[in-house]
Amino acid sequence: NAGVMQNPRHLVRRRGQEARLRCSPMKGHSHVYWYRQLPEEGLKFMVYLQKENIIDESGMPKERFSAEFPKEGPSILRIQQVVRGDSAAYFCASSRAIGSGANVLTFGAGSRLTVL
Amino acid sequence: GQQLNQSPQSMFIQEGEDVSMNCTSSSIFNTWLWYKQDPGEGPVLLIALYKAGELTSNGRLTAQFGITRKDSFLNISASIPSDVGIYFCAGPNTDKLIFGTGTRLQVFP
Repeated sequence: NAGVMQNPRHLVRRRGQEARLRCSPMKGHSHVYWYRQLPEEGLKFMVYLQKENIIDESGMPKERFSAEFPKEGPSILRIQQVVRGDSAAYFCASSRAIGSGANVLTFGAGSRLTVL
Repeated sequence: GQQLNQSPQSMFIQEGEDVSMNCTSSSIFNTWLWYKQDPGEGPVLLIALYKAGELTSNGRLTAQFGITRKDSFLNISASIPSDVGIYFCAGPNTDKLIFGTGTRLQVFP
């Protein structure tokens, strides 16, 4: 009965490198959300995806950030040419499609990115 | 856009004390959720509220959905050291959840 699985838990990158964060939603959940948490701050919405579709990317920075949720496999949040300001905890969450509890998100443990 | 403001921002209390925190919104919500984030972990759902005026308990935690639908309250009774963490309120904004600014709780033995 695995929950939302994120990996890696910790990732260190040098400025200019790429970071790839992976998320497998909870069994039975088809909606995936990515949030970013800067140190000592709250959770900021980035993007909402369903299988093969980006539904809402209003929280994604315009450049260097992309997300996908392919038909097979985990959702990926990709950050190209990382900068120090990208250092944060990135959380993935999933939810059921419809019905009771559709608004309730189950979160993973997060991926903590440090950019040197 | 919608914003959720939580108060207090942080609390330092002694074990055994009761705790109250609240969350207010600039607009109406149909659902209020309370999450707790332990250090180094992801948020975990504590309580979900779906109706104005609703009062729901989960062990030592009690949460209320304000009548105006613009606020919610969370109370923790007889706090223990493992209550330490950040408490977030959250509500739906179209197709996603938005989160409050958080209340950081420290409990001293």
